[in-house]
Amino acid sequence: EAQVTQNPRYLITVTGKKLTVTCSQNMNHEYMSWYRQDPGLGLRQIYYSMNVEVTDKGDVPEGYKVSRKEKRNFPLILESPSPNQTSLYFCASRFGQGQGYTFGSGTRLTVV
Amino acid sequence: AQTVTQSQPEMSVQEAETVTLSCTYDTSESDYYLFWYKQPPSRQMILVIRQEAYKQQNATENRFSVNFQKAAKSFSLKISDSQLGDAAMYFCAYRMVDNYGQNFVFGPGTRLSVLP
Repeated sequence: EAQVTQNPRYLITVTGKKLTVTCSQNMNHEYMSWYRQDPGLGLRQIYYSMNVEVTDKGDVPEGYKVSRKEKRNFPLILESPSPNQTSLYFCASRFGQGQGYTFGSGTRLTVV
Repeated sequence: AQTVTQSQPEMSVQEAETVTLSCTYDTSESDYYLFWYKQPPSRQMILVIRQEAYKQQNATENRFSVNFQKAAKSFSLKISDSQLGDAAMYFCAYRMVDNYGQNFVFGPGTRLSVLP
């Protein structure tokens, strides 16, 4: 089944403790992206990647890192999480320019 | 910068009736893509419908259709014969056409309730 898999689905962590949210797609998509969803703000892009080793900042990149060492994987790294990073996170991938994103099932992150 | 506005934070519709969700956007581009995504309580983001700005014809997917008014920068979603499973958050999204840009710009969403 064609899908974007992200883990974990739920995560509670403490301020300052480094964490990684994994994302993997099996559709051979070139484009991948991370979004955060907050009430009343819709989805805002954190980082995106056009291909292996090609990444760039989205609208809200502060406090996040990404890497794209393989085409299928695009992990999101929070080096020192803070409470304002409590949010619902989505990984997404797509193939062509005009195509919509296929989204993962989301990761609910709480930083206390 | 492009912006997407959904002026209806919440809407409700009776089962089997028709409802229209509004979306407006701001752009100086002449070619772009527009999308509607559905997010049910499972929180999965599901692509509902897609429109290419250079196409005059409004996109249709089964019970879902759009009214694309390019000059007015309006992209409303019409759901016909509403079903209980249509209850969800609906997000309108815009994407510019270029070789490098990645950004989808999402609106804040409209929560749709379907009443039995």
